[in-house]
Amino acid sequence: KAGVTQTPRYLIKTRGQQVTLSCSPISGHRSVSWYQQTPGQGLQFLFEYFSETQRNKGNFPGRFSGRQFSNSRSEMNVSTLELGDSALYLCASSSSQETQYFGPGTRLLVL
Amino acid sequence: GENVEQHPSTLSVQEGDSAVIKCTYSDSASNYFPWYKQELGKRPQLIIDIRSNVGEKKDQRIAVTLNKTAKHFSLHITETQPEDSAVYFCAASLLSGGYQKVTFGTGTKLQVIP
Repeated sequence: KAGVTQTPRYLIKTRGQQVTLSCSPISGHRSVSWYQQTPGQGLQFLFEYFSETQRNKGNFPGRFSGRQFSNSRSEMNVSTLELGDSALYLCASSSSQETQYFGPGTRLLVL
Repeated sequence: GENVEQHPSTLSVQEGDSAVIKCTYSDSASNYFPWYKQELGKRPQLIIDIRSNVGEKKDQRIAVTLNKTAKHFSLHITETQPEDSAVYFCAASLLSGGYQKVTFGTGTKLQVIP
């Protein structure tokens, strides 16, 4: 099976802009989770989608949103970007929400 | 909700020595404990996991132990090699609201000195 893919891999934006990141899970996986990773901050959980429904949400402001499509592909949107949003955004898919299979990540730089 | 603490945040060992990373969890209902390794510039990948009905699991140089009473679990790496250098994340997963919810620890940066 193909692994989890994320696009784009790198992105440069300026403050105030918005961005949309995409994640394609492993075929057959219906759960997709999103994480923000910054140096020294580990994996900060953003949200999890299952069958097009947000099932779990972390402690991030409403500027961070997501959605999942019927083919389980997921998108994450960040509006009104701030400098502090610069990070590696990882998505992970799972068939059971036990083992997480991570994508390569999208590295976002906000200038 | 579940809280997972991981220690130490950084660990340096000489090649050939052992490394131990410890995690504690707060919710006694957690029943699945995976460990992930993230090499520099790469994605986290599962290296070993353990379920709550097992006390210890080994895979070559890697082992994980679980103490349910104390609510802590540990990763043990023996005969460390430079390629073991990475960030390691522990996680705890529990059944909540009809599905498994996973919580990650804050990570341990392991450096193996040749």
